[in-house]
Amino acid sequence: DTGVSQDPRHKITKRGQNVTFRCDPISEHNRLYWYRQTLGQGPEFLTYFQNEAQLEKSRLLSDRFSAERPKGSFSTLEIQRTEQGDSAMYLCASSSPGTGATSYEQYFGPGTRLTVT
Amino acid sequence: DQQVKQNSPSLSVQEGRISILNCDYTNSMFDYFLWYKKYPAEGPTFLISISSIKDKNEDGRFTVFLNKSAKHLSLHIVPSQPGDSAVYFCAARANYGQNFVFGPGTRLSVLP
Repeated sequence: DTGVSQDPRHKITKRGQNVTFRCDPISEHNRLYWYRQTLGQGPEFLTYFQNEAQLEKSRLLSDRFSAERPKGSFSTLEIQRTEQGDSAMYLCASSSPGTGATSYEQYFGPGTRLTVT
Repeated sequence: DQQVKQNSPSLSVQEGRISILNCDYTNSMFDYFLWYKKYPAEGPTFLISISSIKDKNEDGRFTVFLNKSAKHLSLHIVPSQPGDSAVYFCAARANYGQNFVFGPGTRLSVLP
């Protein structure tokens, strides 16, 4: 296991279509995060899973966005009825279990770049 | 309202000299701070971190300083190398959850 992987790397879709992204975290990591990054900005937190439980969601996560992590391993992020404002890089990160400092260190995937036309 | 600010969008430094990247925050509930480095077409990579109970953490060429009273932290890279050229993000964690807040980043260019 070499790191966090995301699929696809790029997605172009038309406004109004649904898209789904997949994230495979580092295998022993029980924490998984989704972020959105737009040009010139840092990653913005969207949601957080510990194992299969979705424990935190940002106000940014409108009802068109849904995330799942059904078996506590890979995760999917779905955007329904995409809008042009959804165009961004979607990043997934994972971190190790525990409460120590190392559990705060997140390992990021390469991201999925979404373009909504 | 940006809770984590990096007021310098870019910084250029000569190879071998010190690079100092700055970060300011507003939320007094932040208890842990991290620096990430990002190359083009890659996700951010963890670099170094510091707990709010410390004022300095060092790892090789990288040192992070925290001034809690000023709500300011800085990353020092000594000596700077061309491979350090990247975008650097400051991030903070509030003590009430796993919602990490990132700054907008500073693009560092180390000139040979």
